[in-house]
Amino acid sequence: AQTVTQSQPEMSVQEAETVTLSCTYDTSESDYYLFWYKQPPSRQMILVIRQEAYKQQNATENRFSVNFQKAAKSFSLKISDSQLGDAAMYFCAYGAGNMLTFGGGTRLMVKP
Amino acid sequence: DAGVIQSPRHEVTEMGQEVTLRCKPISGHNSLFWYRQTMMRGLELLIYFNNNVPIDDSGMPEDRFSAKMPNASFSTLKIQPSEPRDSAVYFCASRRQGSYNEQFFGPGTRLTVL
Repeated sequence: AQTVTQSQPEMSVQEAETVTLSCTYDTSESDYYLFWYKQPPSRQMILVIRQEAYKQQNATENRFSVNFQKAAKSFSLKISDSQLGDAAMYFCAYGAGNMLTFGGGTRLMVKP
Repeated sequence: DAGVIQSPRHEVTEMGQEVTLRCKPISGHNSLFWYRQTMMRGLELLIYFNNNVPIDDSGMPEDRFSAKMPNASFSTLKIQPSEPRDSAVYFCASRRQGSYNEQFFGPGTRLTVL
């Protein structure tokens, strides 16, 4: 079974600085997708960024980018120029077929 | 596009009562997922449907839980009888087959069983 591990239960960053959230996963598949979801206090799950495993180029979405290391099964999220609104739970997710497997989440705090 | 719609947003009930949670997926999406989120267990998949047919219900905790999808635009998750340990946030998500596998989540229903 696939597993997704987020080893940092909590992270803190100063406003305007950069933070990296870690995620590792275990799979025997070669074709899959990886995602980062954000869950603010409103509890709405919001898709932040997506990476297709067959693509070598790391995905970017404005201030959000990933470092995808397929051989190492690592998928970290970098948030640049952190803003107060980035404070939330962040979930890494692995997807193959119909289903997603989620990590346990990392709570990000942003200090003004 | 209205997104995934869930109702009610909050539900408080007493132990032993029946609870029904409702979900309307995004139009055109043909997969629907029910999740439960708790502090202790995180985000758990309960059941998912493809084209209104239940595909995997291995995450449904016990017979007190049941889910239906009578048509492409509506699904229910029922708990009968409810117990305090069922207190959680329940999410519905939908996905369009052939897309990038990403799921779009509703706002969730916070259930409290007293």
